[in-house]
Amino acid sequence: GAVVSQHPSWVICKSGTSVKIECRSLDFQATTMFWYRQFPKQSLMLMATSNEGSKATYEQGVEKDKFLINHASLTLSTLTVTSAHPEDSSFYICSASPVPGGEGYYGYTFGSGTRLTVV
Amino acid sequence: AQTVTQSQPEMSVQEAETVTLSCTYDTSESNYYLFWYKQPPSRQMILVIRQEAYKQQNATENRFSVNFQKAAKSFSLKISDSQLGDTAMYFCAFMKTGGAQKLVFGQGTRLTINP
Repeated sequence: GAVVSQHPSWVICKSGTSVKIECRSLDFQATTMFWYRQFPKQSLMLMATSNEGSKATYEQGVEKDKFLINHASLTLSTLTVTSAHPEDSSFYICSASPVPGGEGYYGYTFGSGTRLTVV
Repeated sequence: AQTVTQSQPEMSVQEAETVTLSCTYDTSESNYYLFWYKQPPSRQMILVIRQEAYKQQNATENRFSVNFQKAAKSFSLKISDSQLGDTAMYFCAFMKTGGAQKLVFGQGTRLTINP
């Protein structure tokens, strides 16, 4: 089945540094990927929609300059948390559609998530 | 804008029992998709079941079935013969039709299956 690989699975960084999270579609091409943030015991909050070859579309209230998204190829999207601070600590998840146009039938495949801790 | 509401933050049942998770949504769209996703302790999101709004027949996947009431904008999930492995967070999600649309998630219901 379709697999979305997300790395790293967990990362600890110092306050003020930047962290890059990768989301790869392993056996399919993904023109669109989605990035979510999830706080403990809460739902997934959509941060942005990543489109291959174009600028990402950010949800209202999400800082574009803090959460940089690059979708340079059909199989890779990256989320960079710049100048990270403790309040950026969270669980970040990406997703993609294994069958473009078939999202309603197949749904989206999710990565395994990245737990970011900023100290 | 669409909203999804799950009014049961937590539920707990005994193994082998049947449990129903509630979900209501609000939309002005006439056609759309509804999903139930499961997030076990591993935090990997897993698709449980899906429903197309234009189909009146309720979807079924093995022990999982839905009760889709379009007029009432209700989409509940029934788990029969519950198993310990069903312990997870369950999210109801809405998606508009037309290409790579975003999922709108409910708040989630934490389901615990007790031995």
